[in-house]
Amino acid sequence: QVQLVQSGAEVKQPGASVKVSCKASGFTFTSYAIHWVRQAPGQRLEWMGWINPDNGNTKYSQNFQGRVTITRDTSASTAYLELSSLRSEDTAIYYCARDSSVVVVIGAFDIWGQGTMVTVSS
Amino acid sequence: EIVLTQSPATLSLSPGERATLSCGTSQSVSGSYLAWYQQKPGLAPRLLIYDASSRATGIPDRFSGSGSGTDFTLTISRLEPEDFAMYYCQQYGSSPFTFGPGTKVDIK
Repeated sequence: QVQLVQSGAEVKQPGASVKVSCKASGFTFTSYAIHWVRQAPGQRLEWMGWINPDNGNTKYSQNFQGRVTITRDTSASTAYLELSSLRSEDTAIYYCARDSSVVVVIGAFDIWGQGTMVTVSS
Repeated sequence: EIVLTQSPATLSLSPGERATLSCGTSQSVSGSYLAWYQQKPGLAPRLLIYDASSRATGIPDRFSGSGSGTDFTLTISRLEPEDFAMYYCQQYGSSPFTFGPGTKVDIK
């Protein structure tokens, strides 16, 4: 079936980086943009950026000031989120999500991964 | 950045009742590019409505969306037990894509 499966929970120290993976199955990976969205405790959902797996083009939210990098490995049908210079406020569940539109990036998300908890603590 | 607000914060209703959830945006949303999601504890959000009024695949017709510009509404015509959850609106008319703070629909 159509699904996105994410890597497991991470615990990181402040200042470190984290890399979360998102493996797609059941659909053509290169046909849909993959977005990353996070949800901090008690906070609203926050969009971080997207990647076009076909050509590797990316777009990021300015709210992350260059700390976020999204990449992909088409041979593995997997997208990756890397967040650097971690601080306690980055403690959140990180979700990957598929764009609802084939080829064109729309920005509605029809398939979600199960989420990856990232905890930043010394 | 477009800021979204949702009201009420909590809606306490009984099964079978009608739920009306509101979402307001700080600027007009181009193309009515507004979505609604349902989220249950411990789970990822689920897309209900996109383009303000189109139901996503597999979503029951008791869910409907309406609105344009800066005011949008999600209506659940008759609440089923599985509908008690958190609901978020999201705009994707301009980047960065932004979400509202959510409305919790709980059992009265």
